[in-house]
Amino acid sequence: EAQVTQNPRYLITVTGKKLTVTCSQNMNHEYMSWYRQDPGLGLRQIYYSMNVEVTDKGDVPEGYKVSRKEKRNFPLILESPSPNQTSLYFCASSRYSDRTYGYTFGSGTRLTVV
Amino acid sequence: GENVEQHPSTLSVQEGDSAVIKCTYSDSASNYFPWYKQELGKGPQLIIDIRSNVGEKKDQRIAVTLNKTAKHFSLHITETQPEDSAVYFCAASLGGGGTASKLTFGTGTRLQVTL
Repeated sequence: EAQVTQNPRYLITVTGKKLTVTCSQNMNHEYMSWYRQDPGLGLRQIYYSMNVEVTDKGDVPEGYKVSRKEKRNFPLILESPSPNQTSLYFCASSRYSDRTYGYTFGSGTRLTVV
Repeated sequence: GENVEQHPSTLSVQEGDSAVIKCTYSDSASNYFPWYKQELGKGPQLIIDIRSNVGEKKDQRIAVTLNKTAKHFSLHITETQPEDSAVYFCAASLGGGGTASKLTFGTGTRLQVTL
């Protein structure tokens, strides 16, 4: 089954404790992206990657890092989480082409930073 | 950058009635407009999309219309059913590959279909 898999689904952590949210897709998609979803704000892009070793900032990149060492994986790293990073996070992927195609989203990771 | 506004934020309809959700966008260069449905505890799922070379697209009970001059597009759901209850997001993109693949989302509409 074609899918984007995120782990963990739920995470509670303390301020300052480094964490990684993993994302993996099995569709051989080139384009991958992280979004955060907050009430009343919709989905906002954190980082994206157009291919292996090619990443760039989205609209709200502060406090986050990403890496793309393999095509299928795109982990989101919070080096020193803060309470304002409490949110619902989604990883998404799409095939790269000369035009945009719809994203396939993971099931989400609900992060709480206390 | 692109800005997408979505209305209403909540919508309640009776089963069998129609529902309409509207979005406006700011960047006249945008030319790809997908709609996503998000059910409780799940990620958004693409339900229909439209490109700027067409004005309307239908898929069974759902349809999307696009007015490029006015920079707005709408989602229409006819004969609503309880399983249509979800949060719906519109989005816009420049529609090209690479960096032009970025989707800018609206703030979402919570649709409730009552019996």
